[in-house]
Amino acid sequence: AQSVTQLGSHVSVSEGALVLLRCNYSSSVPPYLFWYVQYPNQGLQLLLKYTTGATLVKGINGFEAEFKKSETSFHLTKPSAHMSDAAEYFCAVSDLGGGATNKLIFGTGTLLAVQP
Amino acid sequence: GAGVSQSPRYKVAKRGQDVALRCDPISGHVSLFWYQQALGQGPEFLTYFQNEAQLDKSGLPSDRFFAERPEGSVSTLKIQRTQQEDSAVYLCASSLHRDSPLHFGNGTRLTVT
Repeated sequence: AQSVTQLGSHVSVSEGALVLLRCNYSSSVPPYLFWYVQYPNQGLQLLLKYTTGATLVKGINGFEAEFKKSETSFHLTKPSAHMSDAAEYFCAVSDLGGGATNKLIFGTGTLLAVQP
Repeated sequence: GAGVSQSPRYKVAKRGQDVALRCDPISGHVSLFWYQQALGQGPEFLTYFQNEAQLDKSGLPSDRFFAERPEGSVSTLKIQRTQQEDSAVYLCASSLHRDSPLHFGNGTRLTVT
């Protein structure tokens, strides 16, 4: 079975500060890992994904994440927060690496607040 | 181009009523997923279609929930005899192929009173 744990349901940073959102996963097959962002009353938008290959993946809006197998982690970072980054962020894992579907298992989300 | 479209955007139902939620995926997308997102939670998988075949319905919480995609495009999620615990946002997502990224709709917010 697969699962995702997001540490910290609420994170607050100052504008211009580093953003670090934590995600740990559990998977019995090579994981495919994703970060999605959700703005109020909207669906989810893909920020970035890791499938195979390079462990540092870059996404939209200046976000990046690093897959660390030894730590079973896939933390999301951005060097400098912008007010427009305020949203809820979800980490997700799929069992596609095991040849199955791209059904996603989501974490409970982290609400990012950016203070001026 | 058009994204995944869901209707209605908001639905209020009295407890015990039946509701039907519609999803129009991106044209040509083979895979279609339904998720349920309770307030303050992450989306939880309900069911998966590949074309018209429902390949996985392991996430449907009870036999009051039913989904169909008869022609392999539009999908309908039906909830019979709604209960207050059914109140949530129902998200639909589609992908071109089995291993393509998912595109999500904006969801239907269901409130059961």
